[in-house]
Amino acid sequence: EPEVTQTPSHQVTQMGQEVILRCVPISNHLYFYWYRQILGQKVEFLVSFYNNEISEKSEIFDDQFSVERPDGSNFTLKIRSTKLEDSAMYFCASSEGRGGNQPQHFGDGTRLSIL
Amino acid sequence: GNSVTQMEGPVTLSEEAFLTINCTYTATGYPSLFWYVQYPGEGLQLLLKATKADDKGSNKGFEATYRKETTSFHLEKGSVQVSDSAVYFCALRGSNYQLIWGAGTKLIIKP
Repeated sequence: EPEVTQTPSHQVTQMGQEVILRCVPISNHLYFYWYRQILGQKVEFLVSFYNNEISEKSEIFDDQFSVERPDGSNFTLKIRSTKLEDSAMYFCASSEGRGGNQPQHFGDGTRLSIL
Repeated sequence: GNSVTQMEGPVTLSEEAFLTINCTYTATGYPSLFWYVQYPGEGLQLLLKATKADDKGSNKGFEATYRKETTSFHLEKGSVQVSDSAVYFCALRGSNYQLIWGAGTKLIIKP
């Protein structure tokens, strides 16, 4: 069964450094998403991406964050200058469409630790 | 705004017991509802879904029925196994793109 893959599984970065999290969505999917889960808290939506542009973003997704689909397969999340509070598990997801019968499929996540 | 409330865990059961994990939601319009499961060390896997009132989603012996009158989507399984031990998340998607998540319920099944 096709799956969403994320790399790396664990990223350790010094505060203030830039970090790029990578995702390969399912190949025929058109909608892409990033979520995060701070330890002990709810999963939170960050951003959705369709047709090479952001379609929706949350308040968390400020100017420090950006997303890109640099080629036909990768979907990346960049955090420009990391803060301690960016430490979380980051999940990438993709879906064929937006309908309820086209659910979002998730990767295994990248655990980001900011020192 | 939209929100999801799940029963707090952990829920600890013996093997072959009946499972219910409660989920209620607040939403405008007609959201789609989902249950995701996260096994230890793994990502979020879709368990089941329902897209309209009275729909029943089912998978791997788990069921949940979309109840509009009580705004609920409770997860049930008739006989749990040790391998069902995981964290279960209820989520909804409204008219926009994002999933709104419950806090997750940790399920522990003892042999």
